[in-house]
Amino acid sequence: DAGVIQSPRHEVTEMGQEVTLRCKPISGHNSLFWYRQTMMRGLELLIYFNNNVPIDDSGMPEDRFSAKMPNASFSTLKIQPSEPRDSAVYFCASSPGGGTYTQYFGPGTRLTVL
Amino acid sequence: EDKVVQSPLSLVVHEGDTVTLNCSYEVTNFRSLLWYKQEKKAPTFLFMLTSSGIEKKSGRLSSILDKKELFSILNITATQTGDSAIYLCAVDTGNQFYFGTGTSLTVIP
Repeated sequence: DAGVIQSPRHEVTEMGQEVTLRCKPISGHNSLFWYRQTMMRGLELLIYFNNNVPIDDSGMPEDRFSAKMPNASFSTLKIQPSEPRDSAVYFCASSPGGGTYTQYFGPGTRLTVL
Repeated sequence: EDKVVQSPLSLVVHEGDTVTLNCSYEVTNFRSLLWYKQEKKAPTFLFMLTSSGIEKKSGRLSSILDKKELFSILNITATQTGDSAIYLCAVDTGNQFYFGTGTSLTVIP
């Protein structure tokens, strides 16, 4: 069984560049979550979707961050323009929904903004 | 194949009990092991362990890593109903994170 797939695994970019992170959730899962992890702030929920609809984006840091889920099998998290303080590990997770809270995490994308 | 295995899968205890959750791993390159508490909405970060034998403690929770035997334990003493959650373990290899399937803990009053 394929788990949650994220790409790229590593991204190094320069300040001001656009960064796009990608996620493919587990087939059949209704909910998708984007997280950011840093040692300073731990794991932060950025946004989550239910049936492709954004439900709660209150964790999105600022307008530079945007997320889309055009269909049930794909989501993107975009940062434009990127800043050094965006450097972190970004996780995508999916959940079957329907009252099940278990989330399945992807391998993460390590982002470094120089 | 790199993997992280947690046990038990689920656990039901009474308030006041002490529980021990296990996380074993097999990875090619080990950088750190992380524990999270996952409640209804989003996991919260508990501990990050990098060195063997050094206990990390936060209130009633503590954790320790054994890099020789490739496992970590998370202890919760004097459990409370608020400890009911799924506890996730993840290993960072530097290339990616491997998550276990979690231990579901239910604390009964």
